This record gives sequence, structure tokens and C-alpha cells, in this order.
Amino acid sequence: GENVEQHPSTLSVQEGDSAVIKCTYSDSASNYFPWYKQELGKRPQLIIDIRSNVGEKKDQRIAVTLNKTAKHFSLHITETQPEDSAVYFCAASNIGSGNTGKLIFGQGTTLQVKP
Amino acid sequence: DADVTQTPRNRITKTGKRIMLECSQTKGHDRMYWYRQDPGLGLRLIYYSFDVKDINKGEISDGYSVSRQAQAKFSLSLESAIPNQTALYFCATSALGQGRGYTFGSGTRLTVV
Repeated sequence: GENVEQHPSTLSVQEGDSAVIKCTYSDSASNYFPWYKQELGKRPQLIIDIRSNVGEKKDQRIAVTLNKTAKHFSLHITETQPEDSAVYFCAASNIGSGNTGKLIFGQGTTLQVKP
Repeated sequence: DADVTQTPRNRITKTGKRIMLECSQTKGHDRMYWYRQDPGLGLRLIYYSFDVKDINKGEISDGYSVSRQAQAKFSLSLESAIPNQTALYFCATSALGQGRGYTFGSGTRLTVV
């Protein structure tokens, strides 16, 4: 069945360093890849997403890259700050007319940014 | 503000009891989902619904049932709660063709003792 694997499960970096979280997906029909950030005690919030017709997308300090051939996608956070500390989830979906659009999530990565 | 509201926020219940978690939304989205979150396992899909007459099982539906009472309301029931159903439960919504991911509710923390 559909599956998304996410690594690492925990990541600790110094403030100002970069952080990279990687995901792989199994369903080659997946065409939409969002990333969610969940702060402690709060709901997941969408931070960036990418569609399969794009290889890279950037929004200020965060960027996402997609390799459709290898079925890999990654989240890159540059110049990390303590407020980036949270759990991050990747997800994959097949959106479009007639498709379910349900998101399959990775297991999550706990990012700790040390001041 | 348009939002997704879950009730209750926290609940402790005993093994064997029936419990209902409720979700309502003011976003006008047609699709609604129930997920559970467990440490190290991420968010796993329990049930999803595209409209009042369309209910679908997710990857972990055993032990759960749902009801889509209206476009804006989607309830999750545990007919006979068991301790391994202790988890954080999230409702989420999305709009057909929106392609912008989900809007999550604030979550329900359920403890079965």
C-alpha cells in the first residue's frame, strides 16, 4: 500500500545551522507533497508544499526539493532559529479530479534548535 | 474566523465505554478526515468522507466508526474503547481540487484507562 518514510526521527542543530529532513514515498501516482510543522501542544500547520511538475520551491528560509525518479523529497531550513523547534511531518497525495486527495504522512521529525 | 473545531479537547474514559469525538467546520470544505497521532508513528488515517453520503475507511479503521451528519460535521466513535486507542486525534478538512493540503482541528487528547 501507500507508504511515506521520513528520516531522521530526531534532529538537533545549533542556531544558525541548516537542517534537512528527507522523505521517500511508494506511490508513483503521488503528485502533491506538503510539509507540516507542529509546535508543542498545537495542531499541524502547513508550511510549504510542492507539486510534481516542480523540482524545487523556496519560501524565505525554507525550501523543498523533489526527485520524482527516485521518489524522494526533502525539506531544507537555513539559518535555523529556536522558534523552528517543532515536529515536522512530510506527506504525499494524489490530488485531482476523481482522486481521493487523502494525505499519507511520514512518521515525523522532532527538530531541536539549540541557542 | 473560519475554522475546524473539535470537542472535547481532552477526555479520559474507561475501557469498554463508548465515546464520541466531534468535529465541525466553518470553512465550507467538502472533504473531512479523522487521523490519530502516536509518537513515532506520525499521523494515520482512520476514516475520510467526501460528502454526507460518502464514507471511506482509512488505514486503521478497526474499532472505530464515523458519522457525517452534515457537510460541516463529522464525528468519530469508539464503540468499546480500549487502552491502545489512547492517542491524540485530529480532524482535518480540505476542498475538492484545492490542492492546498489540510486544515487541522485543534485535536482531542483521548486517554483510555
